Amino acid sequence: NAGVTQTPKFQVLKTGQSMTLQCAQDMNHEYMSWYRQDPGMGLRLIHYSVGAGITDQGEVPNGYNVSRSTTEDFPLRLLSAAPSQTSVYFCASSYSKTGRGPSGNYGYTFGSGTRLTVV
Amino acid sequence: GNSVTQMEGPVTLSEEAFLTINCTYTATGYPSLFWYVQYPGEGLQLLLKATKADDKGSNKGFEATYRKETTSFHLEKGSVQVSDSAVYFCALSPPQSNTGKLIFGQGTTLQVKP
Repeated sequence: NAGVTQTPKFQVLKTGQSMTLQCAQDMNHEYMSWYRQDPGMGLRLIHYSVGAGITDQGEVPNGYNVSRSTTEDFPLRLLSAAPSQTSVYFCASSYSKTGRGPSGNYGYTFGSGTRLTVV
Repeated sequence: GNSVTQMEGPVTLSEEAFLTINCTYTATGYPSLFWYVQYPGEGLQLLLKATKADDKGSNKGFEATYRKETTSFHLEKGSVQVSDSAVYFCALSPPQSNTGKLIFGQGTTLQVKP
């Protein structure tokens, strides 16, 4: 089925370890983004990309890196994990950053999330 | 700035009861408005949307009307089921966003009891 696929679904890291959260979409969406979801704080934008080779920071980018070598993939890297990065991470995609697309398609599609615990 | 305020939960209802979850927003211009639903252990799913004033979004028996005059987008359902138990998020997409960031409310937990 078409959509946004995130892996892994669960991960436990030790402080200082690095890892990559994978995100892939098969809808030919130009826009992709990463959010983190924390209790009482809603969803906050980490990084986003408006197309292959183009990335930019959201509101909470520190401690995370991203790259966009293909339209389909948008991995999120934690360089040195910290307990403050314990969260649920969601990848989202859309035709454009405004959410608008061809043929009346509109909206952002989210992956099922990665629950990360840093101990 | 842009913001979304949702009624606080949790909301507990009996099956077949009427549901209203209030959502109000602050935004410049005419944002697009969304309701997302998150079932336990799952990601966010788009429930419905409205892109201009007076539009009514609807899906799976849920409805919400884009009210510019009251800056509201309240979610309603006439008869809830146990399977509707989830967290509901109201969100907006600013019309001139540079980042594509969705602005989310805090989420409202709905629990429906048989």
